[in-house]
Amino acid sequence: DTAVSQTPKYLVTQMGNDKSIKCEQNLGHDTMYWYKQDSKKFLKIMFSYNNKELIINETVPNRFSPKSPDKAHLNLHINSLELGDSAVYFCASSRFPEETQYFGPGTRLLVL
Amino acid sequence: RKEVEQDPGPFNVPEGATVAFNCTYSNSASQSFFWYRQDCRKEPKLLMSVYSSGNEDGRFTAQLNRASQYISLLIRDSKLSDSATYLCVVRPNNAGNMLTFGGGTRLMVKP
Repeated sequence: DTAVSQTPKYLVTQMGNDKSIKCEQNLGHDTMYWYKQDSKKFLKIMFSYNNKELIINETVPNRFSPKSPDKAHLNLHINSLELGDSAVYFCASSRFPEETQYFGPGTRLLVL
Repeated sequence: RKEVEQDPGPFNVPEGATVAFNCTYSNSASQSFFWYRQDCRKEPKLLMSVYSSGNEDGRFTAQLNRASQYISLLIRDSKLSDSATYLCVVRPNNAGNMLTFGGGTRLMVKP
């Protein structure tokens, strides 16, 4: 009965690699998000999709590319990983853009 | 100046104590305000929204002071299970659903 799920939970990889994080929500929500929480615990929005369309794209390197194959999924692909990409990445969803956001359990990414 | 500022703590309090956190925000046009709770190595979860008139949910009371641009959270009769990081969250009026998070205030309730 998981509401917002992410895979993998942990990801350890080398600099320069390309990796993807998957997110799925079974809440029937229209809007999904990706956030990054750095080592200082600040949570910052990266992207937001509503009905598979990009509505928020914060200042994020273009190495990060979100993909929404359908309303229930928002995946995050990262090219040429850098040390500074190490963080916890949270997916979230809300029924509509103005409504309460529900977060997934997070993906802990460590770039060596 | 950060958009949303909080004292990172930690606040160490005994069980049963009353504890209060404040948060200040820089954008005077901000429209919506929330407190989220984040347990260690877990995801943030909505604790409560903050309304202009102030609101209460059990042992938790949230207040908004628009003139001074700060939000407060009061926890009465602290429980061990209240130990967590409390995140102050603001939605600017012109930002769709873009939430701006503070860095969080860590609370540790001791027996």
